Amino acid sequence: GAVVSQHPSRVICKSGTSVKIECRSLDFQATTMFWYRQFPKQSLMLMATSNEGSKATYEQGVEKDKFLINHASLTLSTLTVTSAHPEDSSFYICSARVETTEPMFFGPGTRLTVL
Amino acid sequence: GENVEQHPSTLSVQEGDSAVIKCTYSDSASNYFPWYKQELGKRPQLIIDIRSNVGEKKDQRIAVTLNKTAKHFSLHITETQPEDSAVYFCAASKAGTALIFGKGTTLSVSS
Repeated sequence: GAVVSQHPSRVICKSGTSVKIECRSLDFQATTMFWYRQFPKQSLMLMATSNEGSKATYEQGVEKDKFLINHASLTLSTLTVTSAHPEDSSFYICSARVETTEPMFFGPGTRLTVL
Repeated sequence: GENVEQHPSTLSVQEGDSAVIKCTYSDSASNYFPWYKQELGKRPQLIIDIRSNVGEKKDQRIAVTLNKTAKHFSLHITETQPEDSAVYFCAASKAGTALIFGKGTTLSVSS
């Protein structure tokens, strides 16, 4: 299947700092990527849809000024958690499809811990 | 928007038994229904999917059935093995849109 990578895989930061997470489609171009958040023992919750060359679409309850998404190229979307707080600690996962009718593939996830 | 309900939340079976997980969805426009297996700390892995123009799909020990009228779909695992132990998620989407996930089922297969 298609390969989606994420970097970093794990990050620990102090409260109040910002953290950037990268999501890359390695062997295909993705005009749309999706960002999910998963708290321990819970499901994947959709945060936003990242659109190449335009603004991201955020789900209800997700603060767009706190979770900045940039999709500057067809293979890269970034999620920046600004002024992170301990409650932002979670597993962040991105996903993408090769074509709109193809299965969704997920990145390996980024474990964020905010102290 | 779409809402996906999944049951049961936990399922324990003996090795060799069958396991069934059920999901319902709310948006009749959804036309794609995948199932993912997730091991602790890892990414979800697609195990099988079905589209709305098909009623059933099988891949070795795994099968999925879809009832569009009732808006529900099910995952069937036969001859379960200890390595099938994991969290399973169902999801639903329309073409090109994000997947909306159920809450997950923790499957435990004891030998």
